[in-house]
Amino acid sequence: QKEVEQNSGPLSVPEGAIASLNCTYSDRGSQSFFWYRQYSGKSPELIMFIYSNGDKEDGRFTAQLNKASQYVSLLIRDSQPSDSATYLCAVNTPMFSGGYNKLIFGAGTRLAVHP
Amino acid sequence: EAGVAQSPRYKIIEKRQSVAFWCNPISGHATLYWYQQILGQGPKLLIQFQNNGVVDDSQLPKDRFSAERLKGVDSTLKIQPAKLEDSAVYLCASSVRTGVTGELFFGEGSRLTVL
Repeated sequence: QKEVEQNSGPLSVPEGAIASLNCTYSDRGSQSFFWYRQYSGKSPELIMFIYSNGDKEDGRFTAQLNKASQYVSLLIRDSQPSDSATYLCAVNTPMFSGGYNKLIFGAGTRLAVHP
Repeated sequence: EAGVAQSPRYKIIEKRQSVAFWCNPISGHATLYWYQQILGQGPKLLIQFQNNGVVDDSQLPKDRFSAERLKGVDSTLKIQPAKLEDSAVYLCASSVRTGVTGELFFGEGSRLTVL
């Protein structure tokens, strides 16, 4: 079982619609959860992070976390063509020793927003 | 504030040759990461440094890959000898700390092609 799983897509949505991206993780000890956006040929950039159950909103983006179900999602409202990118779910997982954490990425979901 | 610097941006080598990548993190960032991103996949953590000590290298192919972070600042990642499957983008990232809200800042990446 992969540590962080995402549907690879592509997820195609019309401009102005809501895009829903999902992610599941395997380690129940995971503490915080991140969504990164990666444009083609570019490096990942952080969009949002969440570490409490429930919803967290930032502009057009809403992150949702359900630790009991080990499920994280990202909603993008009023999707724009400029949102077309790969969205990477990343999970901050504690290491066995030393008190450190490491960030494990999923394979990403490719989102295409068409006019 | 200067971002994470990486070089070279592109490198083409033949299999069994060696290559080295360099990374200079954001000033003051204690944690440095090297990720490998193969086309179509998410970033895979190769090694994580806290200051100049290694906190995780569990996925580093130690028979061919090595990395060091001298004086807790710059880092180099070396591959010797390279294999075809090492073709990927090598991403360096840094963060202030590895805590719950550890946001990673990525460099532009070093794209390696092994022929």
